[in-house]
Amino acid sequence: GAVVSQHPSRVICKSGTSVKIECRSLDFQATTMFWYRQFPKQSLMLMATSNEGSKATYEQGVEKDKFLINHASLTLSTLTVTSAHPEDSSFYICSARPTGNSNQPQHFGDGTRLSIL
Amino acid sequence: AQTVTQSQPEMSVQEAETVTLSCTYDTSESDYYLFWYKQPPSRQMILVIRQEAYKQQNATENRFSVNFQKAAKSFSLKISDSQLGDAAMYFCASNNAGNMLTFGGGTRLMVKP
Repeated sequence: GAVVSQHPSRVICKSGTSVKIECRSLDFQATTMFWYRQFPKQSLMLMATSNEGSKATYEQGVEKDKFLINHASLTLSTLTVTSAHPEDSSFYICSARPTGNSNQPQHFGDGTRLSIL
Repeated sequence: AQTVTQSQPEMSVQEAETVTLSCTYDTSESDYYLFWYKQPPSRQMILVIRQEAYKQQNATENRFSVNFQKAAKSFSLKISDSQLGDAAMYFCASNNAGNMLTFGGGTRLMVKP
């Protein structure tokens, strides 16, 4: 079945550091990928839609200069949390939908737990 | 805009019994899908079942079935013969034409042995 690999699974770093999270579709191409954020005991909130070869679309309230998204190929999207602070600590999950098949559901990565000290 | 509401923050069920998780939604889309995802403590998002809005027949996947009431915008999940491994957070979700998912607040299901 369709697999999405998200890396790293866990990051602990100091305040002010920039952190890059990768989301790869392993056996399918994905023109569109999605980045979600999940606080403890809460639901997933869509942060942005990542579009291959073009700018990401950010949801209201999400700082695009804070959360940089790059979707340079049909199998890879990256989320960079720039100058991370403790309030950025959260669980980040990506998902991808196979290109050209609108009937396919999104496939989720296993998530990245980000802890900023 | 889409909204998804899960009115039950927590539910519990006895092992081998049946439980129903509620979900209501609102959407302006004419064509959409509805989903139930399971998120165990590992935090993986596991697709449990999905329903195409234009299909009247309720989707079924083994012990999981839905009661889709389109006019009422209701999409409940029934888990039959509950197992200990069913314990998790369950999220109801809908998508729009751009395939963006909107999630409900989640229901924590506990299964008692």
